[in-house]
Amino acid sequence: AQSVSQHNHHVILSEAASLELGCNYSYGGTVNLFWYVQYPGQHLQLLLKYFSGDPLVKGIKGFEAEFIKSKFSFNLRKPSVQWSDTAEYFCAVNYGGATNKLIFGTGTLLAVQP
Amino acid sequence: DTGVSQNPRHKITKRGQNVTFRCDPISEHNRLYWYRQTLGQGPEFLTYFQNEAQLEKSRLLSDRFSAERPKGSFSTLEIQRTEQGDSAMYLCASSSGGRNTEAFFGQGTRLTVV
Repeated sequence: AQSVSQHNHHVILSEAASLELGCNYSYGGTVNLFWYVQYPGQHLQLLLKYFSGDPLVKGIKGFEAEFIKSKFSFNLRKPSVQWSDTAEYFCAVNYGGATNKLIFGTGTLLAVQP
Repeated sequence: DTGVSQNPRHKITKRGQNVTFRCDPISEHNRLYWYRQTLGQGPEFLTYFQNEAQLEKSRLLSDRFSAERPKGSFSTLEIQRTEQGDSAMYLCASSSGGRNTEAFFGQGTRLTVV
């Protein structure tokens, strides 16, 4: 079955610490990959996306993610987090098909302490 | 604001009542999606429209749920005879055509069934 796993459910970091959030998907075909962020009280916003090409993609606010096809992974990274990065982060996969629907992971709640 | 708009933002209803939510997508987007998000979970796909045609429905969408998108513009999601298990955040998203596109999400309608 098509699924997305985020293994870190709740992460607490101090400002300036480095961040890596794991995301694994279940299917070996051609996929489009996304990270969305939801700040408190706001809607889901796109952080970055991978469709094809360079497996290291850069997004907004200093985030990046690396697509490793052999590991079915798309981990999110940021070298130095800020208090304003406190939010919930969702990995999502488009497995293809006519609808382009997204399969989401369960999310990772990141709390950055000042 | 030209993003995806949803209303109402919050809805409290008594069990057994019918409720209807509205989504106004980004105007040039022909694809529209409804997702449901419960506490501690990522959004789960409910249904998909391409223009006015409803092309896919998840098995999560019981026969108490119906969605429409008349004229391919705004969409409504109706839940009849609500149950406590329907309490969730209902998200609408839209995108333009093609696989390599991103979905834009609205702020959601939070439904509480008491």
